[in-house]
Amino acid sequence: GQQLNQSPQSMFIQEGEDVSMNCTSSSIFNTWLWYKQDPGEGPVLLIALYKAGELTSNGRLTAQFGITRKDSFLNISASIPSDVGIYFCAGAGNTGTASKLTFGTGTRLQVTL
Amino acid sequence: EPEVTQTPSHQVTQMGQEVILRCVPISNHLYFYWYRQILGQKVEFLVSFYNNEISEKSEIFDDQFSVERPDGSNFTLKIRSTKLEDSAMYFCASSEVQRNSPLHFGNGTRLTVT
Repeated sequence: GQQLNQSPQSMFIQEGEDVSMNCTSSSIFNTWLWYKQDPGEGPVLLIALYKAGELTSNGRLTAQFGITRKDSFLNISASIPSDVGIYFCAGAGNTGTASKLTFGTGTRLQVTL
Repeated sequence: EPEVTQTPSHQVTQMGQEVILRCVPISNHLYFYWYRQILGQKVEFLVSFYNNEISEKSEIFDDQFSVERPDGSNFTLKIRSTKLEDSAMYFCASSEVQRNSPLHFGNGTRLTVT
């Protein structure tokens, strides 16, 4: 089946640093989503990307949909302690409705003061 | 902001028993989903549901599983004859019917099978 690989698997950064993580696939996806998951909670949508090459920001977060449609990256600028969590990319092969999501392996982010 | 709610937050059951996990999707959403996350692993798709029928299901979603929308607000996942390996977080999600609408997830039900 389709697989999404995220890197890095985990990262420790200091507060105020910028963070970059990416997601690659062997298959094409038509929609890329980035979610954040805090312990004991469900994934929370951060950014949705619908077109190849699209660059979208949400506050300190910026994500891009790769032009090959096989990758995406997420940047977090000026990290703060509440950025701690697991970040998942998710791809959907269908830009229509009822899009089944394939989730990535996750990047665990820890922020030190 | 409207949200997907799931109950119970934690369910403990004995192997072989049946469990029903409940979800109330966001009220104007028409697509519903169940996903599963085994501890420490990624989130995996189980099933999608629209217009009172299953739209798509994964190989995980075998005859042991069933879904139902018993009324206008609830969406349930039934797991029959539970096994130890069914222990996981089960997330319900919903989305609007419009094109490209993203999924919104609930906080999950932690199922522990002993």
